[in-house]
Amino acid sequence: RKEVEQDPGPFNVPEGATVAFNCTYSNSASQSFFWYRQDCRKEPKLLMSVYSSGNEDGRFTAQLNRASQYISLLIRDSKLSDSATYLCAVNRENRGSTLGRLYFGRGTQLTVWP
Amino acid sequence: DAGVTQSPTHLIKTRGQQVTLRCSPKSGHDTVSWYQQALGQGPQFIFQYYEEEERQRGNFPDRFSGHQFPNYSSELNVNALLLGDSALYLCASSFFSRYSGNTIYFGEGSWLTVV
Repeated sequence: RKEVEQDPGPFNVPEGATVAFNCTYSNSASQSFFWYRQDCRKEPKLLMSVYSSGNEDGRFTAQLNRASQYISLLIRDSKLSDSATYLCAVNRENRGSTLGRLYFGRGTQLTVWP
Repeated sequence: DAGVTQSPTHLIKTRGQQVTLRCSPKSGHDTVSWYQQALGQGPQFIFQYYEEEERQRGNFPDRFSGHQFPNYSSELNVNALLLGDSALYLCASSFFSRYSGNTIYFGEGSWLTVV
């Protein structure tokens, strides 16, 4: 079973729509959680960290459910500039070490059309 | 403050050749990790260097090797290139803080095409 499972989409939505991405992770020892945005042929860029209490950054809301090992990202009022691939990632540090490594989902492609 | 820098940005190699990719971490970061991202996939962890030693390794063959230098910069070497090695190679640097944990930054990547 993959460490991180993510629906690859694609999602095609009109401007102004609300879209939700979901991600599940298999290892309950995972410690921190992230959403990255990746534009075509560019490196992943951190969009936001994800906390159990939920966190919001403008039109973006991220949620973590540790019991269900589930991460979500909600984008409200979609803009054309939101078109990109969204990657969820979990970080797990080795026992006795502070060195973490990221496990990524395969990414969900979003296209926002006018 | 320069972020993570990688070189070269693009390169084309022939099957069977060897390639070396380079990475300079963000200032103040002491840990470097390498990831491979094939088209349509998420990045896959190759290995990680800290204090000039390989500390963790993903599921990659021994053809993939690396090095970290005293200034924390790193190299990724791939021998006997296969067509399937064509991918974006990402370097990530990080620094552990007891307050914020590991914060990881990616470089722009090196696009490798094997023909």
